[in-house]
Amino acid sequence: GQQLNQSPQSMFIQEGEDVSMNCTSSSIFNTWLWYKQDPGEGPVLLIALYKAGELTSNGRLTAQFGITRKDSFLNISASIPSDVGIYFCAGHATSGTYKYIFGTGTRLKVLA
Amino acid sequence: GAVVSQHPSWVICKSGTSVKIECRSLDFQATTMFWYRQFPKQSLMLMATSNEGSKATYEQGVEKDKFLINHASLTLSTLTVTSAHPEDSSFYICSANRGRVNQPQHFGDGTRLSIL
Repeated sequence: GQQLNQSPQSMFIQEGEDVSMNCTSSSIFNTWLWYKQDPGEGPVLLIALYKAGELTSNGRLTAQFGITRKDSFLNISASIPSDVGIYFCAGHATSGTYKYIFGTGTRLKVLA
Repeated sequence: GAVVSQHPSWVICKSGTSVKIECRSLDFQATTMFWYRQFPKQSLMLMATSNEGSKATYEQGVEKDKFLINHASLTLSTLTVTSAHPEDSSFYICSANRGRVNQPQHFGDGTRLSIL
């Protein structure tokens, strides 16, 4: 099935550093979501974006809905060890369907 | 707290066994639920959309007779892996949508299925 491209694929950072990741699509989306998945668990919703240009924060997390509607960005400030996990973006494009398309994931590892 | 409950969280069974996985929306009615499959270090791959009171919509390449989906109530969808074989071993995750079509999906905690 179709997937969104996420970058980077994985990253190792030091505790306290800021993290940036993005998600790109070849088509336009009307909703972007960001999830975090811990090992052996289901994804947990972090942030939902509904308008082009929208910037939304959730604690140390900030996400943006790209102006072109073909991309989205997630930033984590002052990373801590519990930020480790896989971050997925998801986009909704087609009206009349509940389906989301998921990104390939960014695996984050934080070094204490 | 969790809004979607999935059960069981872990199953080990012999080849040829059929396995049923339940997905429940806890505090809302979900006319639509989704079933995903996830291989190690990979993303979620949508298997099917479960529609309350009607047949599920399967993604291309997913065997309908292999993965039976029943959405008999507004809070429960089940996935049955029939005559499971080792290649069916995977992490299966369900999700539910709380409202309008573009509202976020909320996920269960997943079921680790291991077929011996």
